[in-house]
Amino acid sequence: GENVEQHPSTLSVQEGDSAVIKCTYSDSASNYFPWYKQELGKRPQLIIDIRSNVGEKKDQRIAVTLNKTAKHFSLHITETQPEDSAVYFCAAFSGNTPLVFGKGTRLSVIA
Amino acid sequence: SAVISQKPSRDICQRGTSLTIQCQVDSQVTMMFWYRQQPGQSLTLIATANQGSEATYESGFVIDKFPISRPNLTFSTLTVSNMSPEDSSIYLCSVEIASIGGYTFGSGTRLTVV
Repeated sequence: GENVEQHPSTLSVQEGDSAVIKCTYSDSASNYFPWYKQELGKRPQLIIDIRSNVGEKKDQRIAVTLNKTAKHFSLHITETQPEDSAVYFCAAFSGNTPLVFGKGTRLSVIA
Repeated sequence: SAVISQKPSRDICQRGTSLTIQCQVDSQVTMMFWYRQQPGQSLTLIATANQGSEATYESGFVIDKFPISRPNLTFSTLTVSNMSPEDSSIYLCSVEIASIGGYTFGSGTRLTVV
């Protein structure tokens, strides 16, 4: 089955700097890669996703890149703000099995 | 996008008892998913709830411990049976949003077993 590895487990950045979180997946049939943000005590919220037919997608300060050959995808947050502090989860989906999540990255943006 | 109502939002239960968590979606969905999130951990899939057939359980989860009902296309329940402190977690239901092809989560049930 699918296995998703996520790095780093914790990340601290200064406000205004960029943050990058990386994930790798094992199932070459996976074709959908969402990213979730989970604030303390709240449900995971979908913030951006990418499908295997594109290499990059951007939404304001957030972007996701996908390298199908290497089976890895990354989340990029630019101009970070304190409200970006949360736990971020990547996930992969092949259509044959439900979403498989990475272990999460705790991002701290220091003002 | 789909709206999911999950209840209860939290509960404190005695060991050995059972708790049933409900998940109601405002539109018909084929599959509903139940996840567990232990403190400080990622989301682990418990089972997929299919309407009209038995749920499909992931490795490490069994029907006797986590019975699931799916009586129609908008509702599902997960029961945590014969609870022990190790069952203390957040339980979340999830569905696919057909319009965008992404998955959304209910607000979660924070379970504490004492």
